Amino acid sequence: GQQVMQIPQYQHVQEGEDFTTYCNSSTTLSNIQWYKQRPGGHPVFLIQLVKSGEVKKQKRLTFQFGEAKKNSSLHITATQTTDVGTYFCAAYPGSQGNLIFGKGTKLSVKP
Amino acid sequence: GAGVSQSPSNKVTEKGKDVELRCDPISGHTALYWYRQSLGQGLEFLIYFQGNSAPDKSGLPSDRFSAERTGGSVSTLTIQRTQQEDSAVYLCASSQFASTVNQPQHFGDGTRLSIL
Repeated sequence: GQQVMQIPQYQHVQEGEDFTTYCNSSTTLSNIQWYKQRPGGHPVFLIQLVKSGEVKKQKRLTFQFGEAKKNSSLHITATQTTDVGTYFCAAYPGSQGNLIFGKGTKLSVKP
Repeated sequence: GAGVSQSPSNKVTEKGKDVELRCDPISGHTALYWYRQSLGQGLEFLIYFQGNSAPDKSGLPSDRFSAERTGGSVSTLTIQRTQQEDSAVYLCASSQFASTVNQPQHFGDGTRLSIL
């Protein structure tokens, strides 16, 4: 079945440093979603990317969808302690159905 | 309510007992999902309901797990003869249905299940 591979599994940064997590699929994705889960919390939807090569920004967060629609990245500029959490990418195998989640990247930020 | 509601928030039970977990989705959301998340791990898909269609049960780990959704709204996940490996946070999510565009999922706070 379809899988989305996410790296790295963990990332420890000093506050103010940048952070990037990558998501890869062996098959072409119709779209990709990103979620953030704070420690002790539940996943919260951040954004959805649909178009090939799409780039979207939310303040210090930049999301990219690859040209081949097989990979995606989330980049955080100048991390803050509020960015701590686990970031998941997720994709639907078809037009509908269950969402396939990557294993997530756990970000810790040292003040 | 405004969000997905799950109950109980915590459940501690003895091995071998049956448990029922409840999920009340956002009003108007036709799709409902159950996931399991072990400590520090990713989300494991369990089951998916969409409207009146037959549920996608492909993620249920064993026949001890079952779920139903009554009236297209509230869902219950039942685990029979619980085992220690069933200990995890069980998350429910709901989304609107759209024929052409995938919708974001809205998660509840989860039920933390501990099997003694």
